[in-house]
Amino acid sequence: SQTIHQWPATLVQPVGSPLSLECTVEGTSNPNLYWYRQAAGRGLQLLFYSVGIGQISSEVPQNLSASRPQDRQFILSSKKLLLSDSGFYLCAWSRTVSNSPLHFGNGTRLTVT
Amino acid sequence: GQQVMQIPQYQHVQEGEDFTTYCNSSTTLSNIQWYKQRPGGHPVFLIQLVKSGEVKKQKRLTFQFGEAKKNSSLHITATQTTDVGTYFCAGEPSSGSARQLTFGSGTQLTVLP
Repeated sequence: SQTIHQWPATLVQPVGSPLSLECTVEGTSNPNLYWYRQAAGRGLQLLFYSVGIGQISSEVPQNLSASRPQDRQFILSSKKLLLSDSGFYLCAWSRTVSNSPLHFGNGTRLTVT
Repeated sequence: GQQVMQIPQYQHVQEGEDFTTYCNSSTTLSNIQWYKQRPGGHPVFLIQLVKSGEVKKQKRLTFQFGEAKKNSSLHITATQTTDVGTYFCAGEPSSGSARQLTFGSGTQLTVLP
């Protein structure tokens, strides 16, 4: 069966510090990978998606970036965090066919102070 | 771009009462998916509707997809405290793929014992 791992679960970082969140998927090959952000009490905002190694599409311009160095590894980064980067970050995967549901990781709750 | 509106934003019900959340898309969808997010948790896929007018049931949950494939609803009969959480719909446009899934803002359900 497929599993998705995301870490850390919680993170408190000062403004201006760097960020690296990691996500790995097991049990499937060549998945679509996604990073979403959820502000408190709000919906899900798609940040990045990837259909393959080194292929990253950005949905929202911001000071965040994503990379996919391996088939089942997806990394969300920032060089300098802003207060507005606080939120709940969710990694997800899906199969490459359309109509494929998303499977989310447990999420990382980021607080920028 | 595609917009998915979901109402109501919040709903408080007494245990045993019914609950319904509605989802409307600005464009025709190829499918609509429903997710549930427990407090402090991550969204979990519930079901996908693909056919016009489709109705699917999962125990006390009934999901409907409109004839025009632009709206959907989730109805819970006789709510229980385990139903607490936020319910999201997510629509995929007719010509899209999972990376173009657009989430509604969610309906946060509180069930009072």
